[in-house]
Amino acid sequence: SYVLTQPPSVSVAPGQTATITCGANDIGRKSVHWYQQKPGQAPVLVVYDDTDRPSGIPDRFSGSNSDNTATLTISRVEAGDEADYYCQVRDSGRGYVFGPGTEVTVL
Amino acid sequence: QTQLVQSGAEVKRPGASVKVSCETSGYSFTFYGVNWVRQAPGQGLEWMGWISSHNGETNYAQKFQGRLTMTTDTPTKTVYMELRSLTSDDTAVYFCARSGRTAGTTRPFEFWGQGTQVTVAS
Repeated sequence: SYVLTQPPSVSVAPGQTATITCGANDIGRKSVHWYQQKPGQAPVLVVYDDTDRPSGIPDRFSGSNSDNTATLTISRVEAGDEADYYCQVRDSGRGYVFGPGTEVTVL
Repeated sequence: QTQLVQSGAEVKRPGASVKVSCETSGYSFTFYGVNWVRQAPGQGLEWMGWISSHNGETNYAQKFQGRLTMTTDTPTKTVYMELRSLTSDDTAVYFCARSGRTAGTTRPFEFWGQGTQVTVAS
């Protein structure tokens, strides 16, 4: 099965940039989606197809994907960005796979 | 606006079955598919499977093969997830989420239900 790796946690000061990686073999050949989840809430899609943002998601959220690493970048971090972030891909023939999640803490 | 509204919390005994519903509205039901994702306490997201609202085709994660069934009811625009032979490891919040209607879809989960707590305890 296709395994995604993420750092367990990332800490960032307000106004700075948070970078969350999602690693897997040849992930650059797949479409990567990113979700934000706050405690007690359903996940929210923040980036899809590597780089696109759904309507209503601030342009502070951006994504990239190349080779073996996809990246979610949160610029000008705010206290409200504190949450768990999950990457997701489709594993051909098997279904969807989520990464283990990264907890973002705003200092 | 697109909405997915799930049924309420359930408490089940080990060995029992649970059936959770996901009532959709605000979009053309048969144009999309619905996934089920669960989250155990303090854990990450786990994809369980997908069903096409177009033709009822399903794709289940191997882990749940044999004890998971997803169905649709087009007149009520509702999707159901039934999990059998429950154990304490199935205690989790279960979410439905909309994606594409064809097998092999890579569409993201743009809309989610609010989640249903399923507790398995003796």
